[in-house]
Amino acid sequence: AQSVTQLDSHVSVSEGTPVLLRCNYSSSYSPSLFWYVQHPNKGLQLLLKYTSAATLVKGINGFEAEFKKSETSFHLTKPSAHMSDAAEYFCVVSVGQAGTALIFGKGTTLSVSS
Amino acid sequence: EPEVTQTPSHQVTQMGQEVILRCVPISNHLYFYWYRQILGQKVEFLVSFYNNEISEKSEIFDDQFSVERPDGSNFTLKIRSTKLEDSAMYFCASSEADSGGLYEQYFGPGTRLTVT
Repeated sequence: AQSVTQLDSHVSVSEGTPVLLRCNYSSSYSPSLFWYVQHPNKGLQLLLKYTSAATLVKGINGFEAEFKKSETSFHLTKPSAHMSDAAEYFCVVSVGQAGTALIFGKGTTLSVSS
Repeated sequence: EPEVTQTPSHQVTQMGQEVILRCVPISNHLYFYWYRQILGQKVEFLVSFYNNEISEKSEIFDDQFSVERPDGSNFTLKIRSTKLEDSAMYFCASSEADSGGLYEQYFGPGTRLTVT
């Protein structure tokens, strides 16, 4: 069975400060892990993905995430927040095969203040 | 850039009515999916579809739900007799066939279904 726990439901940062959104996973298999972002009234956009290659994954808009098997974590970071980063972020786990379900975390709302 | 499209963006229906939500997946993709997100809750998998068959489905996807690929471009989700608890945002997604272990689902903007 697979599951994802996003440790913070809401994170608030100031513009220009670092962002850390925390995610822990549980998987019986070697997992594929993703971060998706959802801006208000928009669909889900893939930020980045881990599929057993490099453990440090770089995504769009300056985001990156590090896969740590020993800690079963896949935290999302960004060195400097921008106002446009304000959105809902979902950590997602999958067995990685086509046709199988993505399992979503509950989401973390990121607020960015000026 | 190719994208998944969904229509309508918002559907209001009365309890007990049938609704059909429509999706146009990315043209060279072979796997199609439906997810839903009840307001304030997490995104939940409903069903995946490949080669005109259901590939995987969740417990949510009961006999009230069905999916169809009626032609070469559309992918539909039908709810036979809607309940209040079916009110949610429904997302369609598509992905390429599995190649080299890479696997990415592309999501549409969603259809907000409101059952009154």
